Amino acid sequence: NAGVTQTPKFRVLKTGQSMTLLCAQDMNHEYMYWYRQDPGMGLRLIHYSVGEGTTAKGEVPDGYNVSRLKKQNFLLGLESAAPSQTSVYFCASSYRTGGGDTEAFFGQGTRLTVV
Amino acid sequence: QKEVEQDPGPLSVPEGAIVSLNCTYSNSAFQYFMWYRQYSRKGPELLMYTYSSGNKEDGRFTAQVDKSSKYISLFIRDSQPSDSATYLCAVVNAGNNRKLIWGLGTSLAVNP
Repeated sequence: NAGVTQTPKFRVLKTGQSMTLLCAQDMNHEYMYWYRQDPGMGLRLIHYSVGEGTTAKGEVPDGYNVSRLKKQNFLLGLESAAPSQTSVYFCASSYRTGGGDTEAFFGQGTRLTVV
Repeated sequence: QKEVEQDPGPLSVPEGAIVSLNCTYSNSAFQYFMWYRQYSRKGPELLMYTYSSGNKEDGRFTAQVDKSSKYISLFIRDSQPSDSATYLCAVVNAGNNRKLIWGLGTSLAVNP
């Protein structure tokens, strides 16, 4: 059981380049999330999805786009990377949101550096 | 004021010590309280969750919630070097917006 898998694990981009981060989950979860984690800032929600074909903005959505074409996949896109987007990105999924039985399962993270 | 406050530490203790990790929150509408553990260069993983005020125990770990004080705690007994990690508290609003709200995390080092 792989859980939540993120691709790639590491990436270095030049300013202005674009890239897509892929998240795949095999737990048939409805909810999926993209977070970024920065020192002193904690986990911040970028975008999330409550089901296939739906997406919504989180706390820090600017500069990012997402798509959820298939239930098991959640893609995070950076159209024109900026140094401020240097961060560790985590994808997570959950059966539902809210409630004590809602465990969010996290991927291993993608370390992105924009130079 | 942040909705969830957590002292980032770092906290350094000798092996075998009792560790106390704490968070405070501002909104009495928060109903679910969780503790996640994050090892270096890994994603967070759920350690414990509680719903009501009081204690919940799981092995060496005890989660405590005091809703009257808006205070949540995680106690680790007989701490081990393998407990060295960052511990994040998270709360959930039971209202329409039921997203997780995270503390910044407390870095813990247990020294052999």
